[in-house]
Amino acid sequence: AQSVSQHNHHVILSEAASLELGCNYSYGGTVNLFWYVQYPGQHLQLLLKYFSGDPLVKGIKGFEAEFIKSKFSFNLRKPSVQWSDTAEYFCAVNIKAAGNKLTFGGGTRVLVKP
Amino acid sequence: EAGVAQSPRYKIIEKRQSVAFWCNPISGHATLYWYQQILGQGPKLLIQFQNNGVVDDSQLPKDRFSAERLKGVDSTLKIQPAKLEDSAVYLCASSSLLGGESLSYEQYFGPGTRLTVT
Repeated sequence: AQSVSQHNHHVILSEAASLELGCNYSYGGTVNLFWYVQYPGQHLQLLLKYFSGDPLVKGIKGFEAEFIKSKFSFNLRKPSVQWSDTAEYFCAVNIKAAGNKLTFGGGTRVLVKP
Repeated sequence: EAGVAQSPRYKIIEKRQSVAFWCNPISGHATLYWYQQILGQGPKLLIQFQNNGVVDDSQLPKDRFSAERLKGVDSTLKIQPAKLEDSAVYLCASSSLLGGESLSYEQYFGPGTRLTVT
């Protein structure tokens, strides 16, 4: 069965710092990759997604992620965070051969200090 | 467009009691999912419906959990009897086919129901 691992459980940083969250998955076939974000008190929402094509994808709010197939990774980045980026971030994978079932990582809680 | 609706938002029950959650997906979305999110973990798929048929329920504890999606719209998830380890947030999501042979559906999540079993 596929699995998704996120390297950090908690990240604390100051405004204007750069953010990079790691995500690795364990499946050798064709996958779709997602980053979801959950702001305090809100529901999960899609930040960005990769289906095919350019491995560098841009999402909302200045976030981007790079798919590196050889490393089975899909790391999320933002060059300069804001206090409003405080949230929990989840990486997720679905396998095209498995009917759109999403497998999530354990999440990374990000706290941005003003 | 209206999002995925869930109720109740919070529920506290004692172990061995039963509980039911309701979900109304985004209008026109054929696929509906129920996830369980235990504190400190990512969501885990419990069951997936395509219209009113079950696509995947491999991780649903069928001795105590049941779900239905009558008429292919609303869905209910039931736990009977509840155990302490069922304390979690239960998320409902829906998606629609994005086109062609691709199975790249984007899932839209509801606010979840936070269940506490005491």
